[in-house]
Amino acid sequence: DQQVKQNSPSLSVQEGRISILNCDYTNSMFDYFLWYKKYPAEGPTFLISISSIKDKNEDGRFTVFLNKSAKHLSLHIVPSQPGDSAVYFCAASFSGGGADGLTFGKGTHLIIQP
Amino acid sequence: NAGVMQNPRHLVRRRGQEARLRCSPMKGHSHVYWYRQLPEEGLKFMVYLQKENIIDESGMPKERFSAEFPKEGPSILRIQQVVRGDSAAYFCASSPLQGAFYEQYFGPGTRLTVT
Repeated sequence: DQQVKQNSPSLSVQEGRISILNCDYTNSMFDYFLWYKKYPAEGPTFLISISSIKDKNEDGRFTVFLNKSAKHLSLHIVPSQPGDSAVYFCAASFSGGGADGLTFGKGTHLIIQP
Repeated sequence: NAGVMQNPRHLVRRRGQEARLRCSPMKGHSHVYWYRQLPEEGLKFMVYLQKENIIDESGMPKERFSAEFPKEGPSILRIQQVVRGDSAAYFCASSPLQGAFYEQYFGPGTRLTVT
């Protein structure tokens, strides 16, 4: 049962354009969401996060939007650069359950075309 | 400030052998998490430990898998009598504080291959 879903296994975007990666979740208890970037043969690297009390968080070229009513979040990267080519994982956690492990989606492979 | 360290990076074991995976958290971090990534899948939470304590092992298989984080030294994930299905990338993460609102920082992973 996938509680965090990334429905696009891959996404191809031209350099300089906006990349939009999407993520849906089913567990309404989740109240903290994170995006990680992963290169082959490396561990995931934290990118940006958002708490459920916000609907937007921005950090340089990266912006995360949260729509709680739709249980949907998205990561916007603008402008996209060649070094952004990687697998992006959406992850979620909740503060009340006592378990602090993150629940990950399966990832979206972003390819930035020159 | 060194990041999360994991060793070995690659580990090959024959069916029935034991695998020991080590993780040293970032300096100042006392919370360690282990995740497993099967091919074409996302990372799956296995266990959360603090020094000398297992806090949450809800993601650990009931048999053959164990984890520890001793007072001194790295955290160890131990897999006894490995089977082919244990072949995966195992990632360790650490965080400075407990709670859902703190980022976890990941190590480079150990790729376990069972032949």
